[in-house]
Amino acid sequence: EVQLVESGGGLVQPGGSLRLSCAASGFTFRSYEMNWVRQAPGKGPEWVSYISSSGSAIYYLDSVKGRFTISRDNAKNSLYLQMNSLRAEDTAVYYCARDGTPGQAGTYFDSWGQGTLVTVSS
Amino acid sequence: AIQLTQSPSSLSASVGDRVTITCRASQGISSALAWYQQKPGKAPKLLIYDASSLESGVPSRFSGSGSGTDFTLTISSLQPEDFATYYCQQFNSYPTFGGGTKVQI
Repeated sequence: EVQLVESGGGLVQPGGSLRLSCAASGFTFRSYEMNWVRQAPGKGPEWVSYISSSGSAIYYLDSVKGRFTISRDNAKNSLYLQMNSLRAEDTAVYYCARDGTPGQAGTYFDSWGQGTLVTVSS
Repeated sequence: AIQLTQSPSSLSASVGDRVTITCRASQGISSALAWYQQKPGKAPKLLIYDASSLESGVPSRFSGSGSGTDFTLTISSLQPEDFATYYCQQFNSYPTFGGGTKVQI
């Protein structure tokens, strides 16, 4: 069974930093492209970042470019999101999500974690 | 960015009803569209991908159709567990989601 478990969320002041982690199990992690998707309270989901299976290709939502960094450790079956210079509008539940078609960049998301809440407030 | 407009934003229905939700893209996206179901406090769940392919394990009462700019999600006979919010998502370019349709009693 595919499992994605996020951690690292919490309350942070504007301008602060957080590092989210996603532990993957139940599938061959190194073969799949991965994403972070967020959902602000009462809003629809919003894609944040993508990383290819090898880590060689990375894409970001324009509003997080230069502030967020996605990375992965295939030896540890883990995905990460380093978030710096956080703003109030970054407040959301952050999900890690697996691409539905291995080897094909940017598709749909066939497996999601339970999410971790990030709250940016003073 | 490609914008997706869902309609209606909410609807009231009864068990056994046939429900149709539409999603319109701001430009052509071929069949690069997925549908998700989300219940309160839970992650979205994939229902349909490539506009009309049913995800494994999803009941056959769910179906998707369309290509280009206009897409439809249909629930043929609404069940109690189907009351939820539904989102479309395009993956022709950087992924974007529609605004959601809340299906309620």
